[in-house]
Amino acid sequence: EAQVTQNPRYLITVTGKKLTVTCSQNMNHEYMSWYRQDPGLGLRQIYYSMNVEVTDKGDVPEGYKVSRKEKRNFPLILESPSPNQTSLYFCASSRNIRANYEQYFGPGTRLTVT
Amino acid sequence: KQEVTQIPAALSVPEGENLVLNCSFTDSAIYNLQWFRQDPGKGLTSLLLIQSSQREQTSGRLNASLDKSSGRSTLYIAASQPGDSATYLCAVKANFNKFYFGSGTKLNVKP
Repeated sequence: EAQVTQNPRYLITVTGKKLTVTCSQNMNHEYMSWYRQDPGLGLRQIYYSMNVEVTDKGDVPEGYKVSRKEKRNFPLILESPSPNQTSLYFCASSRNIRANYEQYFGPGTRLTVT
Repeated sequence: KQEVTQIPAALSVPEGENLVLNCSFTDSAIYNLQWFRQDPGKGLTSLLLIQSSQREQTSGRLNASLDKSSGRSTLYIAASQPGDSATYLCAVKANFNKFYFGSGTKLNVKP
């Protein structure tokens, strides 16, 4: 089944404790992206990747890191999480963003930072 | 910077009604517009993708239109059903491969 998977689905952590949220897609998509969703603000793009070893900032990259060492994986890293990073996070992928294909989303990761 | 607005934020209709959801964007320089459905506790499901050169797309009871020059898109749902209850989001692809989302319209279809 073609899908985008994220792990973990739920995470509660404390301020300053480094964490990684994994994202994997099995569709051989070139483009991958991370979003956060907050009430009243909609989804905002954090980082995106056009292909392996190519990443770029979205609208709200502060406090986050990403890497794209393999085509299928695009982990989101919070080096020192803070309470304002409490949010619902989504990973998405698309076949080839230049050709304007649709995006497919993972199920989401709900992160709480205390 | 691109801003995407969806009005209304919430909508409640009786089953069987035809309805229209609105999406507006401030910068007409978009590559495409995508409509999604989001169910509670779940991810986004793609409904329709309209390229900037297209005027509309249809899938079953759904029809989405795009008027780039006026910065508007509408999602038309025919003969609504309780199973259509969800939050509907629109997103535009803008320059530099970035995406901008609206805050969504929460639809409740009453049996």
